[in-house]
Amino acid sequence: QSALTQPRSVSGSPGQSVTISCTGTSSNVGDYNYVSWYQQHPGKAPKLMIYDVSNRPSGVSNRFSGSKSGNTASLTISGLQAEDEADYYCCSYGVSYKFLFGGGTKLTVL
Amino acid sequence: QVQLVQSGADVKKPGASVKVSCKASGYTFTSYYIHWVRQAPGQGLEWMGIINPRGGSTDYAQKLQGRVTMTRDTSTSTVYLELSSLRSEDTAVYYCARGDRYSYYDYWGQGTLVTVSS
Repeated sequence: QSALTQPRSVSGSPGQSVTISCTGTSSNVGDYNYVSWYQQHPGKAPKLMIYDVSNRPSGVSNRFSGSKSGNTASLTISGLQAEDEADYYCCSYGVSYKFLFGGGTKLTVL
Repeated sequence: QVQLVQSGADVKKPGASVKVSCKASGYTFTSYYIHWVRQAPGQGLEWMGIINPRGGSTDYAQKLQGRVTMTRDTSTSTVYLELSSLRSEDTAVYYCARGDRYSYYDYWGQGTLVTVSS
């Protein structure tokens, strides 16, 4: 099973908004509301940012939001800050391959 | 506070086995699943499997079936990952992560680098 499809890179200026897409199939993203998003800074462990498509864990800024339409989930980061520069990964539960990650998206804050 | 502390880096020869530990603290060990996720150098995240610390049941990624074993010791709140018949492609940072059965991983270990090299 191929990984979920994410853009390799996105960029934005401080204060702007960016959206990262995550495309799967009807066997994972499309069929389950178990999409989560992780932020990873170089050399660090991933950090949970969004779970169950659109829920934010305690302590995560409300500048981060998630949504889903059909087989594609999205992470939107508003009011970009320099500290948001990192790699972002989506993850979905799926019936056959249990958990699939996206290939990762490198966010650059210009 | 919730902590997952993993064992240190390891170097193995091809064909050998490696065992990585993950000691949990700061919460009730049997109340959350533990997932294992690995990341090859410069690559993305790959889910390896899950263990339920309450009963020890496991579920593994299809591609690792037959080479991976996850166990737990409730007396020390520790989960173990064993990977056998190591190949160079298994060189990666291995993470344990606390999570839900289907939904998320909310706390992660610091990662353990396993290098497979002759």
